[in-house]
Amino acid sequence: DTAVSQTPKYLVTQMGNDKSIKCEQNLGHDTMYWYKQDSKKFLKIMFSYNNKELIINETVPNRFSPKSPDKAHLNLHINSLELGDSAVYFCASSQDKTQYFGPGTRLLVL
Amino acid sequence: GEDVEQSLFLSVREGDSSVINCTYTDSSSTYLYWYKQEPGAGLQLLTYIFSNMDMKQDQRLTVLLNKKDKHLSLRIADTQTGDSAIYFCAGANTDKLIFGTGTRLQVFP
Repeated sequence: DTAVSQTPKYLVTQMGNDKSIKCEQNLGHDTMYWYKQDSKKFLKIMFSYNNKELIINETVPNRFSPKSPDKAHLNLHINSLELGDSAVYFCASSQDKTQYFGPGTRLLVL
Repeated sequence: GEDVEQSLFLSVREGDSSVINCTYTDSSSTYLYWYKQEPGAGLQLLTYIFSNMDMKQDQRLTVLLNKKDKHLSLRIADTQTGDSAIYFCAGANTDKLIFGTGTRLQVFP
């Protein structure tokens, strides 16, 4: 009965590959987010979707493409992975003013 | 844009109180949050405070907000080893959370 879940938990891949990370929430929330946490633990928002519509896009390279097939899912596809994409990616969802985070996907680009 | 600052480290003895501080620049932040991140884990929402409040208490946690100085603090009473983690403050006036740099709390016996 996990509220916000992400798959995979770990992802190790080569530079130049394309990969996807999936997120699902069973809280019935309308809004979902992707955040990136770098090696210094700094957290920054990447995208926000409300009811399948893009609301926030924080100057993220267009190699990153979020997709929301329905309001319970927000996936993140990354093309042509670079070394600097190595980070922990967190999905979150919210209904009111509180955001609930998933466990994170640890991406390592070699 | 919003800038949120925290001290990087705090070390306390088990049973003492911990106070984690945060300063922010955007006075329009209507909600301010504290999240906890344990090693290898996601972010756990601990508590939040509306900007029209000065204080909020929730069991061992006390949040103090000084809007004039744009200063937020989290006090953990009777700190336990299980409280060792990184603590993030965050501000929001829309759906976008702006996180602080995180404070690593270490509790020693």
